[in-house]
Amino acid sequence: QVQLQESGPGLVKPSETLSLTCTISGASISSSYWSWIRQPPGKGLEWIGYIYYTGSTDYNPSLKSRVTISVDTSKNRFSLKLSSVTPADTAVYYCARSAVWFDPWGQGTLVTVSS
Amino acid sequence: EIVLTQSPGTLSLSPGERATLSCRASQSVSSNYLAWYQQKPGQAPRLLIYGASSRATGLPDRFSGSGSGTDFTLTISRLEPEDFAMYYCQQYGSSPRTFGQGTKVEIK
Repeated sequence: QVQLQESGPGLVKPSETLSLTCTISGASISSSYWSWIRQPPGKGLEWIGYIYYTGSTDYNPSLKSRVTISVDTSKNRFSLKLSSVTPADTAVYYCARSAVWFDPWGQGTLVTVSS
Repeated sequence: EIVLTQSPGTLSLSPGERATLSCRASQSVSSNYLAWYQQKPGQAPRLLIYGASSRATGLPDRFSGSGSGTDFTLTISRLEPEDFAMYYCQQYGSSPRTFGQGTKVEIK
């Protein structure tokens, strides 16, 4: 059974860089594409981007200038960096398998942007 | 970017009733690449339907998806207590992947 677990700081200061990691268990990172999705409190879902184990990526144009997704095949995990954050980036951040329909999802981690 | 509009915003129904949720796309969704998710408070979304009409593994057959082009529907034939939740559609026919704003199915 594939499981994903997000990890990283729950509080980030404005203008700094948000960094999260998603650790995969039950599957090899080379078996699929992997995505990041976020959900502001009380709002809907926004796709951030995806990566393949080769390093190939695709990002949402709305965030492209600030987003980097990378992969660490040796540790079977992938990461998200979002630079120059503002309070509008406060959200639950999810990682998920696939670049088409998303299944499964991690449990999500709340990241708050505040000074 | 394909904009997905879900309706209604809220659906108030009783257990045992039929729920019909709509998802309309601003342009045709390539190859009917549309998925549906269920999300309960404090939980991650759960995949229900992909390819507009294919059920995810283990999904009860009271859930069904249909539609093509720009108009898609999720139907729950008889609502069970555990089905009251938020539902989102998502297209993966083009980039960026986009989600609808959601339909809340609440107990009447």
